[in-house]
Amino acid sequence: EPEVTQTPSHQVTQMGQEVILRCVPISNHLYFYWYRQILGQKVEFLVSFYNNEISEKSEIFDDQFSVERPDGSNFTLKIRSTKLEDSAMYFCASSSFTGEYNEQFFGPGTRLTVL
Amino acid sequence: GEDVEQSLFLSVREGDSSVINCTYTDSSSTYLYWYKQEPGAGLQLLTYIFSNMDMKQDQRLTVLLNKKDKHLSLRIADTQTGDSAIYFCAESPWTAFTGGGNKLTFGTGTQLKVEL
Repeated sequence: EPEVTQTPSHQVTQMGQEVILRCVPISNHLYFYWYRQILGQKVEFLVSFYNNEISEKSEIFDDQFSVERPDGSNFTLKIRSTKLEDSAMYFCASSSFTGEYNEQFFGPGTRLTVL
Repeated sequence: GEDVEQSLFLSVREGDSSVINCTYTDSSSTYLYWYKQEPGAGLQLLTYIFSNMDMKQDQRLTVLLNKKDKHLSLRIADTQTGDSAIYFCAESPWTAFTGGGNKLTFGTGTQLKVEL
């Protein structure tokens, strides 16, 4: 069964460093998303991406964040200068254009720890 | 803005029914979902309900929607130890333009513990 994969599973970085979180969505999907979950808090939407551009972003997704689909398979989230409060589990998701409900398939997440 | 609330913990005995509750605020919510998260895994869609429905049944799962009270529940019949996980309620609007490519707003998740 096709699945969304994410690498690395755990990333530790120093405050101020750049990190790139990688995702491989399901191959025929057209919509891509990033969510994050700070420990003990809700899963929060960050950004959605469709047709090679951002379709929606949340207030969290400021100038420090960017997304890219550098080739036909990867979808990346870059944080330019990490802050302590960026420590969270980051989930990638993808969905197809069904014309019906929006079943988003989630990856297992990348745990980002900023020291 | 949108908000989704859930209770944090639920403990049941194996074989009993579990009922996980959720309330939401966004009146434009069109689809409501239940996701399951097992340790070390991503969020897995269990079931969903469209806002013009009151109930949906899928094997051991029953979803009830009270649109007036903006209340959603998930009932798991004959709960098993393998059902132990975190259950997330989520909602999204639907727009014809994007064909459903919309953000999900999640609750905090309910940790279900199934005891023998």
